[in-house]
Amino acid sequence: GAVVSQHPSRVICKSGTSVKIECRSLDFQATTMFWYRQFPKQSLMLMATSNEGSKATYEQGVEKDKFLINHASLTLSTLTVTSAHPEDSSFYICSARLTTVIDEQFFGPGTRLTVL
Amino acid sequence: AQSVTQLDSHVSVSEGTPVLLRCNYSSSYSPSLFWYVQHPNKGLQLLLKYTSAATLVKGINGFEAEFKKSETSFHLTKPSAHMSDAAEYFCVVRDSGSARQLTFGSGTQLTVLP
Repeated sequence: GAVVSQHPSRVICKSGTSVKIECRSLDFQATTMFWYRQFPKQSLMLMATSNEGSKATYEQGVEKDKFLINHASLTLSTLTVTSAHPEDSSFYICSARLTTVIDEQFFGPGTRLTVL
Repeated sequence: AQSVTQLDSHVSVSEGTPVLLRCNYSSSYSPSLFWYVQHPNKGLQLLLKYTSAATLVKGINGFEAEFKKSETSFHLTKPSAHMSDAAEYFCVVRDSGSARQLTFGSGTQLTVLP
């Protein structure tokens, strides 16, 4: 149980286009999901906390107009990278917080974004 | 604010020898601490967690970690390394706020030599 999926696993896009990444909790409901960014050979940096039915909370330095987050249901959060540029190329990882019985985050497999 | 420091960016061991990955934490309260493993281009897998119960925590794949408050440490160990243990390991602290956000250490790349 407690599986989180991400789609797509890899995406290549042209500079200036927008890309949407989906994060789904497959077998549990998650009122809170998190989006992380990981540069090569580096650690995960929290970008934002996504709460179902309300606005996401962004970490300092993360542009909310560039990284649009929507958490429309208890099993789905989306991250849209708007007007992508090469410097947005990164590995994006989501997690979903399971709060019944245990309090733990479960991570998706990540999405590799390459902006040409 | 809480933080974790992973003292070694790279650790290399021979197969069958012990593994020690070091982690020190900083927190103004009793923390929850985790170790995650990440294989190349894969998501993170939880190895073990400490949440104020027993200070010696046993995890999956033979890993364990000991919470030492006096040393503010949470080092990860395994008696005998296997080739499949080669991966990136992250020490993580969780905040006590309502969102329960995680703060990741910088990671330790473990190489296992044949």
